[in-house]
Amino acid sequence: AQTVTQSQPEMSVQEAETVTLSCTYDTSESNYYLFWYKQPPSRQMILVIRQEAYKQQNATENRFSVNFQKAAKSFSLKISDSQLGDTAMYFCAFISYNTDKLIFGTGTRLQVFP
Amino acid sequence: DAGVIQSPRHEVTEMGQEVTLRCKPISGHDYLFWYRQTMMRGLELLIYFNNNVPIDDSGMPEDRFSAKMPNASFSTLKIQPSEPRDSAVYFCASSGPGQWNKEQYFGPGTRLTVT
Repeated sequence: AQTVTQSQPEMSVQEAETVTLSCTYDTSESNYYLFWYKQPPSRQMILVIRQEAYKQQNATENRFSVNFQKAAKSFSLKISDSQLGDTAMYFCAFISYNTDKLIFGTGTRLQVFP
Repeated sequence: DAGVIQSPRHEVTEMGQEVTLRCKPISGHDYLFWYRQTMMRGLELLIYFNNNVPIDDSGMPEDRFSAKMPNASFSTLKIQPSEPRDSAVYFCASSGPGQWNKEQYFGPGTRLTVT
């Protein structure tokens, strides 16, 4: 069975600094997608970034980038130039090509301080 | 696109009452998912549909829960009778078209409180 682990329940960062959130996963599949979702206090789940396993290049979306290490089954999220609006719960998620079900980690609560 | 639309945003009801949550997926998406989020259990997939057909309802907690998708633009999740332990945030999400577009887009959620 696939699992997603986020080992950092809480993190904090000062505004304008860089922070990295960790995620590891376990699967025997070769083809899959990985995602990071953001859930701010409004509780809306927002898709931040996606990575397809066959792509070696790390995905980037503005201030958000990932470090995808397929062999190590690691998928970390880097937030550069942190902003107060980045304060949220961040969920890592996995889905294989063969299923329709997203598997979520338990989340990391990020607090950005002024 | 307006995104996934859910109603109501908040629902407060008394134990034993029937509750109906509603969802309109993104136009063109052919997958629809219902999730429940609580502090204790995190995000749980309750049921999902493909082309209006329920594919997997193994996450539905018990017979008090039912879901329907009468057409491509509307789905309901019903709880009858409701219990205090059903209090949670319920999300609807959609993806597609097709099985290779895996990104799920979530609605704003319905916060249900059963007293």
